[in-house]
Amino acid sequence: GAVVSQHPSRVICKSGTSVKIECRSLDFQATTMFWYRQFPKQSLMLMATSNEGSKATYEQGVEKDKFLINHASLTLSTLTVTSAHPEDSSFYICSASAPLAGDSDTQYFGPGTRLTVL
Amino acid sequence: GQSLEQPSEVTAVEGAIVQINCTYQTSGFYGLSWYQQHDGGAPTFLSYNALDGLEETGRFSSFLSRSDSYGYLLLQELQMKDSASYFCAASGFQKLVFGTGTRLLVSP
Repeated sequence: GAVVSQHPSRVICKSGTSVKIECRSLDFQATTMFWYRQFPKQSLMLMATSNEGSKATYEQGVEKDKFLINHASLTLSTLTVTSAHPEDSSFYICSASAPLAGDSDTQYFGPGTRLTVL
Repeated sequence: GQSLEQPSEVTAVEGAIVQINCTYQTSGFYGLSWYQQHDGGAPTFLSYNALDGLEETGRFSSFLSRSDSYGYLLLQELQMKDSASYFCAASGFQKLVFGTGTRLLVSP
């Protein structure tokens, strides 16, 4: 149980274009999803927390107009990187918390999306 | 600010025991989790400590001391497949803050 998928797994785009990444919880309903970014050989950095039906909460330094997050249902959150530039190239990972009793602190991670902006 | 410090790299041989330490400074601390990440993959959950003490899960054990703001992950009977990056993560206010990460290299 508690499987999270991401699509696409890998994407290459030209500078200036927008890219949408989907995150789905496959076998549970996730009221909260999280988006992380990870540069090579570095740690995961939380970008934003996404709650179903409400606006995402962005971490300090993350541009909300550049990284658009939509959490329209209990099983789907999307991250759109708008006007992507080479410095946005990174590994983007989503996670979801399973709203089970005593398990709200465990996050289940998707397989990640590697974005390369040319 | 919030920070979790870990050693950058640890090396060990197969069959050995290794301890990866994590010292943290966070606000709203609820507990400490440990995740394993192989190159190119997503983090996978290993363990979680909400209370002080040792939690054992197979070959892996995790320890937490809230008074010392310190925890560690203990890996026993190391196998080659344990070569990966390991991250501690502090949970609080419904989000995780990840540590700097430790790269474990297991050699034959």
